[in-house]
Parts: sequence; structure tokens; C-alpha cells
Amino acid sequence: DAKTTQPNSMESNEEEPVHLPCNHSTISGTDYIHWYRQLPSQGPEYVIHGLTSNVNNRMASLAIAEDRKSSTLILHRATLRDAAVYYCILRDRQGWGKLQFGAGTQVVVTP
Amino acid sequence: DTEVTQTPKHLVMGMTNKKSLKCEQHMGHRAMYWYKQKAKKPPELMFVYSYEKLSINESVPSRFSPECPNSSLLNLHLHALQPEDSALYLCASSQLQSSGNTIYFGEGSWLTVV
Repeated sequence: DAKTTQPNSMESNEEEPVHLPCNHSTISGTDYIHWYRQLPSQGPEYVIHGLTSNVNNRMASLAIAEDRKSSTLILHRATLRDAAVYYCILRDRQGWGKLQFGAGTQVVVTP
Repeated sequence: DTEVTQTPKHLVMGMTNKKSLKCEQHMGHRAMYWYKQKAKKPPELMFVYSYEKLSINESVPSRFSPECPNSSLLNLHLHALQPEDSALYLCASSQLQSSGNTIYFGEGSWLTVV
């Protein structure tokens, strides 16, 4: 499975945007880019996913580079509730596409 | 309702005990998963069931025995565990196993082996 690289941690002020980068230089043409997050003492939670085009939903936006070798998860206005570990995961859309977590980015939101 | 329910929330067991973790979903999902998460580490996939049949076993030791008695239930039977098996065990489900499907996680069962 193709690997992703994320910063260990990022800090943001409340109500400011947060841009979480993810590098996936070995991505294949059939890999979806998925983002999940895990709040303290909870199970992981789906955030967003995309293939080639940028995607928006009520939680976040996903900006995918034209060559697909990197992507950025954007939280438009961080709240204290957004403090979590954010995982960028590649899943092959052909076949079973295991959801396998890397180390993730710990997001700290300060009031 | 996008809920995956896991019981018990906490379990302490001895190394000679036999216990089970239970997971239930009523979303009509046909794929169910077990993950293991050690403290400060990401979740690791253990098993995947698709249409009540085991489709993926990530080389998990036989002291962990999964069971999917019907499309809504997933069990993880535990026997002769070691202290290093202490972890958070997460159950999850998705509509289908294929990778375009969102996976929904439960809150997990905290297991301590003494």
C-alpha cells in the first residue's frame, strides 16, 4: 500500500483556519485519499475523501494537488472540538482497499 | 443513525480467562471490522468480515477468535491473552468492503490483561 507522510503536530487558534498537509508521492491512479480523525477517548471518525477533484462537505474541504502527490485538509474555522489526531490514508478503489492508519497529525486548538 | 455499539466499554481479564467483546450495528452494513489500538499509536487492522464471512485476517494470533453470527453482530473471543494484548479494541462497519465506502467506528472496548 502507498504510504503517506504527515507532520507530527500542528497548532491553531480557535476560529482560525487549519491547513493539514499530507504527502503521498507514491500514490497510484486508483487510490482514493481518505481523511479520518480521532478525538480523545473516541473511535476514529470519517472526515472526507476524494480522488482527483477538490471536495467540500460540512466538516472540511480537501484540496488535491494536480499531480495527486499531495493533498491538504482544510478546517475552515477551528473549534476546540476539532482538537484530534487527523489521519490521511490512501485506499485502493480497486479491490478491498484496506483502511490502514499511519501516525497522523495531532491538532491542538488554543482558545 | 450511524452508530456502532461496543460492549463492554472496559474489561479486565486474567491470562487464563475466556471473555468476549461484542459489537452491533443496525445500519444494514455488510462489512465489519476489528482494529486494535495501543496507547499513543494508530489503530491496526485485525480482521474484516464481508457478508458474514471472514475476508481478511492480518496474521492475528489465534488467541483472538472473531465471529460474525449475523449481519448485525460481530464478536471477538479472547482466550489465554498476554499483558501486551492490553489495548483499545475498535469495531467498525461499512456498507460494503470496497474502498469507496465510509467506515464507521464504535467508541471501543478498553481491555486490560492482568
